[in-house]
Amino acid sequence: GAGVSQSPSNKVTEKGKDVELRCDPISGHTALYWYRQRLGQGLEFLIYFQGNSAPDKSGLPSDRFSAERTGESVSTLTIQRTQQEDSAVYLCASGRLSSYNEQFFGPGTRLTVL
Amino acid sequence: GIQVEQSPPDLILQEGANSTLRCNFSDSVNNLQWFHQNPWGQLINLFYIPSGTKQNGRLSATTVATERYSLLYISSSQTTDSGVYFCAVEGGTGTASKLTFGTGTRLQVTL
Repeated sequence: GAGVSQSPSNKVTEKGKDVELRCDPISGHTALYWYRQRLGQGLEFLIYFQGNSAPDKSGLPSDRFSAERTGESVSTLTIQRTQQEDSAVYLCASGRLSSYNEQFFGPGTRLTVL
Repeated sequence: GIQVEQSPPDLILQEGANSTLRCNFSDSVNNLQWFHQNPWGQLINLFYIPSGTKQNGRLSATTVATERYSLLYISSSQTTDSGVYFCAVEGGTGTASKLTFGTGTRLQVTL
């Protein structure tokens, strides 16, 4: 079946502009996660959705970052007034909301802020 | 929060050699996953293994939850095994939540 998909695959933007990143989870997966990976580093958690609500937003680095999910499906991560330190790969994952919560990752969006 | 340490940070092997990667974690876990990040950045699921032992081809993994560590074994390594191996854990809160990643082991397999 189809895996997690993300778009765009690459995004280059100028400092100060807003960007929107999209994630399509695996069909039927109730849980959706956003992570960030800076160059040469591990993944940092940003936000987790259970259905359309976000019980854990603890990883969002500032109020410039927001995310929403609709229809228990697609999610968008929005970064306002982008800064150079926002440059990273943004990865989305999805999983079943159960005791067996294996997470499956999309290919990521590489964001470069000039 | 829960801490995850991986060792070694870097590993160079000749094709055909075996290796063991280690993951230590600081608290009880509901979920532990091993991933391979290929040179194109894609995270590939290797094992979902909060406890016990699993094998998949040349790869196997063991998690000893009571001692808070997991091991990933790679046998007869191939050049396609190159990349970064991540261990990630979900803390034992009883509800589905985030994965905390280690900093990874960078593996290079040479001919």
